[in-house]
Amino acid sequence: AQKVTQTQTSISVVEKTTVTMDCVYETRDSSYFLFWYKQTASGEIVFLIRQDSYKKENATVGHYSLNFQKPKSSIGLIITATQIEDSAVYFCAMREGDSNNRIFFGDGTQLVVKP
Amino acid sequence: EAAVTQSPRNKVAVTGGKVTLSCNQTNNHNNMYWYRQDTGHGLRLIHYSYGAGSTEKGDIPDGYKASRPSQENFSLILELATPSQTSVYFCASGDGWGDQDTQYFGPGTRLLVL
Repeated sequence: AQKVTQTQTSISVVEKTTVTMDCVYETRDSSYFLFWYKQTASGEIVFLIRQDSYKKENATVGHYSLNFQKPKSSIGLIITATQIEDSAVYFCAMREGDSNNRIFFGDGTQLVVKP
Repeated sequence: EAAVTQSPRNKVAVTGGKVTLSCNQTNNHNNMYWYRQDTGHGLRLIHYSYGAGSTEKGDIPDGYKASRPSQENFSLILELATPSQTSVYFCASGDGWGDQDTQYFGPGTRLLVL
């Protein structure tokens, strides 16, 4: 069974609006770490934001924020005031507490931001 | 910021040939990883390493070997390349805990096996 699932394969939005990308994960660990990465059209993969399972406050970095719903094993990525350059593939990922930095990735969500 | 480089960036190989993909990182991370990414899919872990001299199997190790001769270098070796190994390969490095706990990716290597 896949540990990280992203059900939205593609999303299209108009720039300056807010978009939410969904992600659910599966783990039996009490401590785990959740990440979102962005892959640009050039193929570059960059880390965006993370959420530690023991933290109740949702993480925020710039115009990226997370909607962490622990009882639902869900970690949504919210991008506010989207820009054309936000167009990319977004990957959700998880590291379990004892996995020594090994990360499991979802299949990604393609975001297209239109003018 | 961590710097991870890969070589070659593009490679065309013949079926049955040997292919070596190289990765170098300059941030002194202990852990390094090799992933493959196929069209429309996420990243699948092939091999990883906790430090020089160590290699571990990931989720899809069959047909691949790995070598970690030093802290900085991590190679992926396809002894007998097959067309099914045509893919984009990413190397990553990562280390530590807390705020340092993330992975930094190289630019990727496009491999075509004919």
